[in-house]
Amino acid sequence: GQQLNQSPQSMFIQEGEDVSMNCTSSSIFNTWLWYKQEPGEGPVLLIALYKAGELTSNGRLTAQFGITRKDSFLNISASIPSDVGIYFCAGPPGNQFYFGTGTSLTVIP
Amino acid sequence: DAGITQSPRHKVTETGTPVTLRCHQTENHRYMYWYRQDPGHGLRLIHYSYGVKDTDKGEVSDGYSVSRSKTEDFLLTLESATSSQTSVYFCAAAGPYNEQFFGPGTRLTVL
Repeated sequence: GQQLNQSPQSMFIQEGEDVSMNCTSSSIFNTWLWYKQEPGEGPVLLIALYKAGELTSNGRLTAQFGITRKDSFLNISASIPSDVGIYFCAGPPGNQFYFGTGTSLTVIP
Repeated sequence: DAGITQSPRHKVTETGTPVTLRCHQTENHRYMYWYRQDPGHGLRLIHYSYGVKDTDKGEVSDGYSVSRSKTEDFLLTLESATSSQTSVYFCAAAGPYNEQFFGPGTRLTVL
């Protein structure tokens, strides 16, 4: 089946640092979504991307839809303690959505 | 936000018993989904629905069935629960731009 490879698996950073993570797929996606999940909660949509090359921001978060349509990137600038959580990429090559296994982010104050 | 609620939020049951999880949405979205989330596997699609009485299988559908008799409700049934179905179950609904919104999840433990 479809595989989404997300990296890194985990990150430990100091408050104030910038964060980068990425996601690659084995097939072309027409949509890339980025989610954040906190313990005991459902994933919350952060950013949605709909065309190759698209760069979209949501506050300190910026995501890009790769031009090959097989990858996407998420950057968080000037991290703060509340950024802690697991970040997932997701996309639909068809009617079904597939999710990356997540990047666990820990921010050290 | 698609106003998605799930019930129950927690359930403990025994192997072999039937279990039904309920998902309710308030935004009249056409597409709804059931996922399970397990360590090391991320979110995996169980079944989805593209309208009332219209459903299809996902990646891990064995042992599960779904029903959608009203736009707002999507039910997931485990006919005979097994320990391998211990997981956290999430419901989602798709907005107009194919973005998915998730419910708070149901933690199911099968003993």
